Amino acid sequence: GENVEQHPSTLSVQEGDSAVIKCTYSDSASNYFPWYKQELGKRPQLIIDIRSNVGEKKDQRIAVTLNKTAKHFSLHITETQPEDSAVYFCAASGSGGYNKLIFGAGTRLAVHP
Amino acid sequence: DGGITQSPKYLFRKEGQNVTLSCEQNLNHDAMYWYRQDPGQGLRLIYYSQIVNDFQKGDIAEGYSVSREKKESFPLTVTSAQKNPTAFYLCASSKAGGGTDTQYFGPGTRLTVL
Repeated sequence: GENVEQHPSTLSVQEGDSAVIKCTYSDSASNYFPWYKQELGKRPQLIIDIRSNVGEKKDQRIAVTLNKTAKHFSLHITETQPEDSAVYFCAASGSGGYNKLIFGAGTRLAVHP
Repeated sequence: DGGITQSPKYLFRKEGQNVTLSCEQNLNHDAMYWYRQDPGQGLRLIYYSQIVNDFQKGDIAEGYSVSREKKESFPLTVTSAQKNPTAFYLCASSKAGGGTDTQYFGPGTRLTVL
């Protein structure tokens, strides 16, 4: 069935370093890939997304890359700050004609001052 | 995402009781969703609705029921048939159509079974 694998499950970096989170999806028909950030006890919030007609997208310190051939996409955060500490979820659109998202299990990012 | 509200924030249920979680949106979105989140896991889809008076089961619908009588509202009932309902429940909405519409989440309801 449809599946999204996300790695690593936890990531610890020093402030100012870069962080990379990787996801692999199984449905070759997926064409939309959002990333959400969730702080403890709060709602997930969209931080960046990419569609299948684009290979890379940047928004200030955040970038996402997509390799459709290999069916994987990655989140890159540069110059990390303590406020980047949160759980990050990737997702891929599912097939079936409606707006279904398949979520990865999440990555807990800790940025240490 | 400020246009989606959920209530209550915390809910406690005794075994054997049905409880209803509220979700309202004023974003004029057609599609609404319910997800369940367990510690250390991703979001799993319970039910979704693309339009008023229509809804479909997601991946883990057993023990849950929904209704969509109004565009703005998509309440979720957790029935006594749901054996392990303690979780964080998130409602979301999107414009709908095309499979690439951004989903916006509500603040969530944390349900605990006593």
